[in-house]
Amino acid sequence: NAGVTQTPKFRILKIGQSMTLQCAQDMNHNYMYWYRQDPGMGLKLIYYSVGAGITDKGEVPNGYNVSRSTTEDFPLRLELAAPSQTSVYFCAATDRVPNEKLFFGSGTQLSVL
Amino acid sequence: KQEVTQIPAALSVPEGENLVLNCSFTDSAIYNLQWFRQDPGKGLTSLLLIQSSQREQTSGRLNASLDKSSGRSTLYIAASQPGDSATYLCAVDNQGGKLIFGQGTELSVKP
Repeated sequence: NAGVTQTPKFRILKIGQSMTLQCAQDMNHNYMYWYRQDPGMGLKLIYYSVGAGITDKGEVPNGYNVSRSTTEDFPLRLELAAPSQTSVYFCAATDRVPNEKLFFGSGTQLSVL
Repeated sequence: KQEVTQIPAALSVPEGENLVLNCSFTDSAIYNLQWFRQDPGKGLTSLLLIQSSQREQTSGRLNASLDKSSGRSTLYIAASQPGDSATYLCAVDNQGGKLIFGQGTELSVKP
């Protein structure tokens, strides 16, 4: 079982460049999330989705955008990369809320220089 | 605003020792609390989920407890092994699926 798959695993961007972090899940889960993790810190929620066509902001949405056209895919878009967006990004999915375990991808390590 | 704190930030123990990791939270109106394991360069794996109506959950050598009234949870690891070395994070859900994470405790179990 693949679970939650994130690509790429590593990326270096220059300031002002744009990129899309990909996230795909094969579990048919409705709920999907994007978190970022800074060194020595816990994870912070960027955006989430409760199903195809429905997205909403989390705690730290500035500088990011998302879309959810299918149940399987939940890409995260950085439009104008800034050094403050250097972080590890995790995508996660769950079947229903609350009280169901969250399944995570292996992360994308992004550096903005 | 919910805040989650984990102390200590790092812990080193000899193999075979029983140990306790701590997690505290400021708002007791939670749906559940999850404990996760994170290996270097990897994603998070959910270890245990305790619903707000439960007091504890067990899986193998792991036991997690929840005291909502005091805003505390503990993760007990029995007979620790070098393979238990990882970062352990707790997270609370008080917004229907949107988790608030602690900073984690980095555990090192020495052979």
